[in-house]
Amino acid sequence: DQQVKQNSPSLSVQEGRISILNCDYTNSMFDYFLWYKKYPAEGPTFLISISSIKDKNEDGRFTVFLNKSAKHLSLHIVPSQPGDSAVYFCAASARGTSYGKLTFGQGTILTVHP
Amino acid sequence: DGGITQSPKYLFRKEGQNVTLSCEQNLNHDAMYWYRQDPGQGLRLIYYSQIVNDFQKGDIAEGYSVSREKKESFPLTVTSAQKNPTAFYLCASSQSRGLENTEAFFGQGTRLTVV
Repeated sequence: DQQVKQNSPSLSVQEGRISILNCDYTNSMFDYFLWYKKYPAEGPTFLISISSIKDKNEDGRFTVFLNKSAKHLSLHIVPSQPGDSAVYFCAASARGTSYGKLTFGQGTILTVHP
Repeated sequence: DGGITQSPKYLFRKEGQNVTLSCEQNLNHDAMYWYRQDPGQGLRLIYYSQIVNDFQKGDIAEGYSVSREKKESFPLTVTSAQKNPTAFYLCASSQSRGLENTEAFFGQGTRLTVV
């Protein structure tokens, strides 16, 4: 039972364009959502997060949108840069649990071409 | 520098042997976690601890054991009962739930290969 799903295994984008990574969830108890960036053989690094009381959070080139009624969130990267090429994981934390008790999606491999 | 240290980065063991992975943090976080990543998959929770001397099973705890004798340390033992131990293991730490949302911090991982 996959509670957090990233249905696109990979995404290829031209440098300077927008990258949009999507994530769907099923558990209504999730109230905090995060995006992590990961390189092979390294630990994930935190990118951006959003609480369920918001529908948008922005940090520089990164914006996360949350649609609670659709149980969907997306990460927008504008403009995309070759250094953004990595695996991106969507993760969710349930109400009342510790912030690191996360349910992860399968990841999306983003490739940004120069 | 504050952070999470996992050691070793690469570990090779023979089938049937127990092996312990180290995780130390100096972020003064109450909670610590162990995740496992398999190729092409997301991270799955093995065990977590919200406070010293207490820990709970995650989604895939079978064949693993942990201890939390100190706030800074959360070692994971992969026992011979774990059927598919070869994987990338990640340790993380975070604050417990509070007034302000915050993220979990991850170590650099340990690649365990059982031959």
